[in-house]
Amino acid sequence: EIVLTQSQGTLSLSPGERATLSCRASQSVSSNYLAWYQQKPGQAPRLVVYGASSRATGIPDRFSGSGSGTDFTLTINRLEPEDLAVYYCQQYGTSPTFGRGTRVEIK
Amino acid sequence: EVQLVESGGGLVQPGGSLKLSCAASGFTFSGSAMHWVRQASGKGLEWVGRIRSKANSYATAYAASVKGRFTISRDDSKNTAYLQMNSLKTEDTAVYYCTRPGGSSGWEHWGQGTLVTVSS
Repeated sequence: EIVLTQSQGTLSLSPGERATLSCRASQSVSSNYLAWYQQKPGQAPRLVVYGASSRATGIPDRFSGSGSGTDFTLTINRLEPEDLAVYYCQQYGTSPTFGRGTRVEIK
Repeated sequence: EVQLVESGGGLVQPGGSLKLSCAASGFTFSGSAMHWVRQASGKGLEWVGRIRSKANSYATAYAASVKGRFTISRDDSKNTAYLQMNSLKTEDTAVYYCTRPGGSSGWEHWGQGTLVTVSS
């Protein structure tokens, strides 16, 4: 099983700042099958990035993903209050796994 | 528009059984794998298992935490996937989501979830 570590439990930032979320895999993620999801309270997860760096439908270009192999990053530029959420990374290979999530708080 | 609607959640005693349904529309259900993911209150997301399409022999796979207790099935004539949960434990209490994978494109489509509470 690939273990995904999101080392930042909570990020507390001001509107307009940049958020940089990290996700490290215990082994290489095949075909860069790495996704990021945004989850707001009481809602289902929403796909933000897939294939490590492709934005999902309807996601603002303030969101960008990068990385390969075992180290991945989700960057949110120009934070807005609506970006308040928990963000999960996921590898969606043969046996999918999720990271434990990073909470983004807006000061 | 893709829609996934889960149902069947509720309160069940430890050791009991429950069957969840996921009704799908807006895409060719028979050609798609389907996954189940759960989330305990205040906790993260946990993959439960998946079933592939007929073309892939309806192959199933499960997380270690539910293997041998949970069974995923589907009825393509009803565009519905199922999660049969047996020998339920208190730690199975969670919101259960069904989701449709998009191959290399991640998991864009999710249901709204159904709450399962295992308690005496």
